[in-house]
Order: sequence, then structure tokens, then C-alpha cells
Amino acid sequence: KQEVTQIPAALSVPEGENLVLNCSFTDSAIYNLQWFRQDPGKGLTSLLLIQSSQREQTSGRLNASLDKSSGRSTLYIAASQPGDSATYLCAVRLNNDMRFGAGTRLTVKP
Amino acid sequence: GAVVSQHPSWVICKSGTSVKIECRSLDFQATTMFWYRQFPKQSLMLMATSNEGSKATYEQGVEKDKFLINHASLTLSTLTVTSAHPEDSSFYICSALSASSYNEQFFGPGTRLTVL
Repeated sequence: KQEVTQIPAALSVPEGENLVLNCSFTDSAIYNLQWFRQDPGKGLTSLLLIQSSQREQTSGRLNASLDKSSGRSTLYIAASQPGDSATYLCAVRLNNDMRFGAGTRLTVKP
Repeated sequence: GAVVSQHPSWVICKSGTSVKIECRSLDFQATTMFWYRQFPKQSLMLMATSNEGSKATYEQGVEKDKFLINHASLTLSTLTVTSAHPEDSSFYICSALSASSYNEQFFGPGTRLTVL
């Protein structure tokens, strides 16, 4: 059974810092990996989707990498802002089945 | 494009009543839709996979007689929580699989269910 782990569970940084969120998964036979943002009480906002054949994706200040063989992905956030405060979820897809990590709760202090 | 809506966005009901939640893919056809549940400060847990025109596949531990799923068309799936109890209070999120967009799943905004 695919298990997805996110480290750290919570992270607090001062504004302007660069930071890395980690995601690991046990079954490397994934179809794709996706990073989401979730604000309190809200739904999911897709940030980046990496297909299994890709190594990384970039969008603005966000960069996500994927190393399928080691079962790892990282989400890099550059020059963090208070508006980046949210929970970040990593999810992997096997066939039609998507499994989520528990998330990293990020707080960016002004 | 690729928008998924849910209705209602929140609902409060009395214990013992049934609640229906709708999930619609607004601008694409979705042969497969998924229902997730999220308890406070926890991640999303897959409840069931719904394929258009066939019975849903439920995850282990999810009661199919309690959580009725109907996927009658390529743009609509419904989840009915029957005889709801306070422990069913949760955030329910659906997603729809788009075959035309690298099989990406698009998520609805969620429905907050509170059972009194």
C-alpha cells in the first residue's frame, strides 16, 4: 500500500527566507506527483504537477522536484511571504488512485 | 478550464437525517470521480472511487450503505450520507479525473458537513 510522508509537519520561518518541504513515498511506480496548497477551512489549490517522466516543475517562486527511484519530492519556495502561510499537501497517483501526505503547516512571519 | 464545483459548500443537519452532496465537472467530462473526507488537521482520505454508470469502489473501512454514491452522468456524482451522526461531521471533497489533461485530477472546493 502506498504511503506518503511529509516532513516537517510544521514549519515557521521569517519573511524572505527560502524553504524546502519534503515528501516521500513508498511505491515508486507512480503516475504523477502533485503539490497542493490548502488554506484553513478551504479546498485544495493545485500548485505543481510532475509527471512520472519529469524531474521538476517550476511556477513563479515555486519549484518542485521528483526523484522517483528514491521515492522523494521536494517543494522549494523562494523568498517566502506571509501570504504563503498555509498547509502544503503532497499527493501521488498510482493508476486512478491518489494518496495524500499529512501535510506541512507553514507559517511565514512578517 | 477544468473546474469542479460542489454543492452545498456547507450544511448543518440533525442526527439521523440524510444529506446529499453534489459534485459537478463544469467544463469537462469525467468518467471517474473520487470522494475524499478530511477531519480537522488531518489529510485527505480517499473514501471511494466512482465510475460513470457503474457501482462505486469503496476503500476499506468505508461503509457503502452509509455513504451512497451515484455517478449517473459524465459530469455529476453525488454522495449521500445516510442517517448522519455527529462523527460524520467532516470536510468532504470530490475530485474529477480529466482524460484530456494528462489524467489530472481536479478538486472541488469541498463541503463542510456538521451533524448536530
